[in-house]
Amino acid sequence: QVQLQESGPGLVKPSETLSLTCTVSGGSNSVYYWSWIRQPPGKGLEWIGYIYNSGGTNYNPSLKSRVTVSVDTSKNQFSLKLSSVTAADTAVYYCATADCGAADCYSLAYWGQGTLVTVSS
Amino acid sequence: EIVLTQSPDTLSLSPGERGTLSCRASQSVNNRFLAWYQQKPGQAPRLLIYGASIRATGIPDRFSGSGSGTDFTLTISRLDPEDFAVYYCQHYGSLPRITFGQGTRLDIK
Repeated sequence: QVQLQESGPGLVKPSETLSLTCTVSGGSNSVYYWSWIRQPPGKGLEWIGYIYNSGGTNYNPSLKSRVTVSVDTSKNQFSLKLSSVTAADTAVYYCATADCGAADCYSLAYWGQGTLVTVSS
Repeated sequence: EIVLTQSPDTLSLSPGERGTLSCRASQSVNNRFLAWYQQKPGQAPRLLIYGASIRATGIPDRFSGSGSGTDFTLTISRLDPEDFAVYYCQHYGSLPRITFGQGTRLDIK
């Protein structure tokens, strides 16, 4: 069973860079992409971006100028960097994967528990 | 950009009743790329349905998905107390690659 766990600072100052890491355990050879999604308190889900198993990336156009998603397969980790944060970036951040072996290659079969990141001075 | 609109925003039903949740896309989408998730308070979303109608592993058969084109439905045949949660539809496609509906909250009446 694949498990994901987010880690990183829970508090980030305005204008700084938010950095999170997702550690994947349980092993899977059929992951199609690794993704980040966020959810502001009391609101809905917003896709941030993902990286394919081939290394290519796709980002939400509304965040593209500030987002970088990368993967380190040797450490079974993938990461999110979001620059120039403001209070509007305060949210629970989830990592998730699309696993062709668990479901199809397009939906998000596995999710981390989420981590709250607050942007405040 | 495809926009997913879910209705109703809130649905109040009693255990044992049938729940019908709607997801409408702003343009026709391929069934293969439409999924449904359940989210309970303080928890991550859980995949229920993918490919519009295929139940994910471990999902009870009281959950079913249907629809095509622009109109999709999640049906819960007989509501169990554990089913009261927020439900999201999701599409994978052109940029933005992944879009979510705004969610339907299913409340106990």
